[in-house]
Amino acid sequence: DAGVTQSPTHLIKTRGQQVTLRCSPKSGHDTVSWYQQALGQGPQFIFQYYEEEERQRGNFPDRFSGHQFPNYSSELNVNALLLGDSALYLCASSAREGVPGELFFGEGSRLTVL
Amino acid sequence: GQQVMQIPQYQHVQEGEDFTTYCNSSTTLSNIQWYKQRPGGHPVFLIQLVKSGEVKKQKRLTFQFGEAKKNSSLHITATQTTDVGTYFCAGPLSSNSGYALNFGKGTSLLVTP
Repeated sequence: DAGVTQSPTHLIKTRGQQVTLRCSPKSGHDTVSWYQQALGQGPQFIFQYYEEEERQRGNFPDRFSGHQFPNYSSELNVNALLLGDSALYLCASSAREGVPGELFFGEGSRLTVL
Repeated sequence: GQQVMQIPQYQHVQEGEDFTTYCNSSTTLSNIQWYKQRPGGHPVFLIQLVKSGEVKKQKRLTFQFGEAKKNSSLHITATQTTDVGTYFCAGPLSSNSGYALNFGKGTSLLVTP
């Protein structure tokens, strides 16, 4: 049973560029959340997708957008990259939206913006 | 907005010593979760506490949820080198946020043999 998978694992971009990160949830999970983790900090909630719709959003600008596909996989897009966007981007899946429970995290995509 | 604070930020212990990390929320929480992140790894769920005053144990780990549901602690008895990592507490971002969690900054534990 595959867990949460993310790609790419590492990537380097320059300021102003755009990036797309991908996530496949754990088998049987239908809800995907994205978190940003800066070095030495806890994960910060970006947004959550369920039934192909953004259900909740954290305090992130519109440069951060996402999508969920019918197979529950998800993408995170960041436009007009800033140096401060350098971080580990974590995808987490869960079984049911709205019910508190365990989050399963992927290994993350480490983004470096130069 | 709701804030989750953790102390200490860092803790360095000798193997066999005990370790405790504390988590405090500015608001009452419906539940609190704890995660462990090994160096270079991703957060892994440890436990969820829901009831006021709840105490749960997992082998050498003891988790407590305060009576007012605004604070929590994680205590590790007789630490081992495998306990190295950062321990995060997390509460719901809002009252109806489901899986949207607000994480503390974590406590990094270093255990030397």
